[in-house]
Amino acid sequence: GENVEQHPSTLSVQEGDSAVIKCTYSDSASNYFPWYKQELGKRPQLIIDIRSNVGEKKDQRIAVTLNKTAKHFSLHITETQPEDSAVYFCAARPPGYSSASKIIFGSGTRLSIRP
Amino acid sequence: AAGVIQSPRHLIKEKRETATLKCYPIPRHDTVYWYQQGPGQDPQFLISFYEKMQSDKGSIPDRFSAQQFSDYHSELNMSSLELGDSALYFCASSSSLTGGNEKLFFGSGTQLSVL
Repeated sequence: GENVEQHPSTLSVQEGDSAVIKCTYSDSASNYFPWYKQELGKRPQLIIDIRSNVGEKKDQRIAVTLNKTAKHFSLHITETQPEDSAVYFCAARPPGYSSASKIIFGSGTRLSIRP
Repeated sequence: AAGVIQSPRHLIKEKRETATLKCYPIPRHDTVYWYQQGPGQDPQFLISFYEKMQSDKGSIPDRFSAQQFSDYHSELNMSSLELGDSALYFCASSSSLTGGNEKLFFGSGTQLSVL
């Protein structure tokens, strides 16, 4: 089955700098890759997603890139702000499924923004 | 906008007791999911329901059961509680009519502590 690996497990960046979180997946046919942000003690929230027919997607300060050949995708946050501090989960969904129940999460990256 | 509502927010039980968690999905969402999240862990999929029928099953122990009612709310029943059941339990919902039933909207979670 699908396996998602996420790196790094913790990341600390200076406010205003960029942060990059990387994930790899094992099933080359996976076709949907969401990213969730979870603040301490709060619910996970979808912040951006990308499908396998797109190489890059951007939404204000966040962007996601997908390299299908290498089977990896990355989250890029530019001009980081204190409110970006959270745990970020990448995820992948294998093909042939329409619901989110088959979505496999990565282990998470705890991002801390230093003032 | 209405969100996924879970109750209770916190629950303290003793070993071998039972617990019932409730979830009210976003109106007109037809799929409900239950996840278990241990400290520092990613969410683990337990079970899902589509239009009140169980649609998928993940790593849900036999001691747990769930159902979705005619008003679309769902309950997770947990019996013979063990210390290892202490975790944050999230309910999520999605709609097959929008976003391909893949975008998860999480509730605020129920923090279960088993003493």
